[in-house]
Amino acid sequence: DFVMTQSPDSLAVSLGERATINCKSSQTVLDSSNNNNYLAWYRQKPGQPPKLLIYWASTRDSGVPDRFSGSGSGTDFTLTISSLQAEDVALYYCQQYYSAPFTFGPGTTVDIK
Amino acid sequence: EVQLLESGGGLVQPGGSLRLSCAASGFTFSNYAMSWVRQAPGKGLEWVSGISGSGGSTFYADSVKGRCSISRDNPKNTLYLQMNSLRAEDTAVYYCAKARGSSAYHSVDYWGQGALVTVSS
Repeated sequence: DFVMTQSPDSLAVSLGERATINCKSSQTVLDSSNNNNYLAWYRQKPGQPPKLLIYWASTRDSGVPDRFSGSGSGTDFTLTISSLQAEDVALYYCQQYYSAPFTFGPGTTVDIK
Repeated sequence: EVQLLESGGGLVQPGGSLRLSCAASGFTFSNYAMSWVRQAPGKGLEWVSGISGSGGSTFYADSVKGRCSISRDNPKNTLYLQMNSLRAEDTAVYYCAKARGSSAYHSVDYWGQGALVTVSS
């Protein structure tokens, strides 16, 4: 099975500052036949279901603010929040959907400094 | 508007069985793969099982393989998860989740509110 790791476990960032979360897969999630990275990012606020932010490693879902961006390829990926807002306080998860079981990372908590 | 409404959660004794249902609306159900994702209290997300839009392909996490069965009734727009031989570690909120495409090899773009399953004597 693919093992997903995230770093850091948690981070605190001042409002308006940049937040960066890393995700690493134990195996490549890049399909060379279509050049797609099968990697998604989700945000989960307390008491709510997750919300899709980014798919194919770098495509923002509909309605997601452009302060969220995803990058990376192969086994190493990054979610960047360019200017942290109060509503971004949440847990963030990466997930690979390249190979079943479609494993999630352990999550990264983002808080306000 | 896409809506996913889980039902069937509750308290069950260890070794017991439960069937979760997810009623879907607001999209052409048969065109999209579906999944179940669970979250134990205070823990992270765990993908449990997935099924293609046609129902022809199913996938399971190792933790539930042989104990759970995912299925769908496309004319009824309903997803199911039959869980048997339940253990305390199966206690979690179970989310019904819609994939972005017909195969399971897609991210999840819509989630239900979740159904709580508690396994305890």
